[in-house]
Amino acid sequence: DSGVTQTPKHLITATGQRVTLRCSPRSGDLSVYWYQQSLDQGLQFLIHYYNGEERAKGNILERFSAQQFPDLHSELNLSSLELGDSALYFCASSVGQHNSPLHFGNGTRLTVT
Amino acid sequence: QKEVEQDPGPLSVPEGAIVSLNCTYSNSAFQYFMWYRQYSRKGPELLMYTYSSGNKEDGRFTAQVDKSSKYISLFIRDSQPSDSATYLCAMEVQDSNYQLIWGAGTKLIIKP
Repeated sequence: DSGVTQTPKHLITATGQRVTLRCSPRSGDLSVYWYQQSLDQGLQFLIHYYNGEERAKGNILERFSAQQFPDLHSELNLSSLELGDSALYFCASSVGQHNSPLHFGNGTRLTVT
Repeated sequence: QKEVEQDPGPLSVPEGAIVSLNCTYSNSAFQYFMWYRQYSRKGPELLMYTYSSGNKEDGRFTAQVDKSSKYISLFIRDSQPSDSATYLCAMEVQDSNYQLIWGAGTKLIIKP
């Protein structure tokens, strides 16, 4: 158990809808990262927060947004969902802002129908 | 050319064999190197975390970094069917917001 908690585990929704994915980092970790992994694809970095502030953006669509709250949990909001957004969404946390290993949750599997 | 190259496999070996998994990279500024194991539909699990060059051993796993050749390896001794998974390498530069760069992952199959 990595200590990173993601909810929900599975999500099935229709095109055009909006969903919120939630992540609780390991105790003591200040950084939260979000990644997308489509079927048989590599990890695509979406966004990084450190202690409540956005630190880096990757290939995150404008329809997607995230935030990290004062208690350090994070939410990833996906809106105007398309079939191609179906994927595993992983949250990872680390102690520092950089150069510290990432610990991943078990992901939220999103299916858009 | 990708910054990190990793053969996607699959790599199939018999139980008990020594497995060698590799990544090559192009950015000489990378200083931190990681190996993760990912079982199907699960989150990646950190196996090894190394800084700069050299070897690091943890049980049946050995990570090796050769910065002169821009090449990292993960060796698995006495491989078990439970080692069947996808192995991802990742690396990053020091003290920078330049993000972690991931390999595509190698699918490993250990045959009983």
